[in-house]
Amino acid sequence: ILNVEQSPQSLHVQEGDSTNFTCSFPSSNFYALHWYRWETAKSPEALFVMTLNGDEKKKGRISATLNTKEGYSYLYIKGSQPEDSATYLCASTASKLTFGTGTRLQVTL
Amino acid sequence: GAGVSQSPSNKVTEKGKDVELRCDPISGHTALYWYRQSLGQGLEFLIYFQGNSAPDKSGLPSDRFSAERTGGSVSTLTIQRTQQEDSAVYLCASSVTGLNSDTQYFGPGTRLTVL
Repeated sequence: ILNVEQSPQSLHVQEGDSTNFTCSFPSSNFYALHWYRWETAKSPEALFVMTLNGDEKKKGRISATLNTKEGYSYLYIKGSQPEDSATYLCASTASKLTFGTGTRLQVTL
Repeated sequence: GAGVSQSPSNKVTEKGKDVELRCDPISGHTALYWYRQSLGQGLEFLIYFQGNSAPDKSGLPSDRFSAERTGGSVSTLTIQRTQQEDSAVYLCASSVTGLNSDTQYFGPGTRLTVL
């Protein structure tokens, strides 16, 4: 992995569904992994910063895990709500923060 | 407290004109970043200011792009002789220390359209 890659590119779920997406990043020279939520017409908002292999972070219904050895992080949303609709960006730092293209989540009633 | 602010929120300009985009970081944050997001692309790093150190300009796409940060606070990104491919959302962010594990706080962005 040379760049930060996110999958899927977009996701459409029903209210109440749980979902997860993946961020893959270069495992060499790893320093930190950031997750941001970017709602339309708003600023990207920081969710988590993780630095240690095996880190797990949680904020309400959203949680994230980190595997620095294999170079991936998962973001989980439990019981999705319409207000969770946003683009979820991950970014990895070696020398500087490099962002993926994001996963666009749409939650419908 | 006040977050990162950017102005203008939208800018439409004609090809060949110069534009200036402004960023007011959070007070006390020593690090300031500029990014842009072109249609269908991820956030692209442009330039990074850290305290009084020389800025990291490695992301600037051409010599038409320049930025300055006056007094360690407000920053201006200038694009000279704009081209249609410069159309994008330009985001500014600031962080307390500039460390790689430091959370970056983003402004609302400036949407630039070059006709």
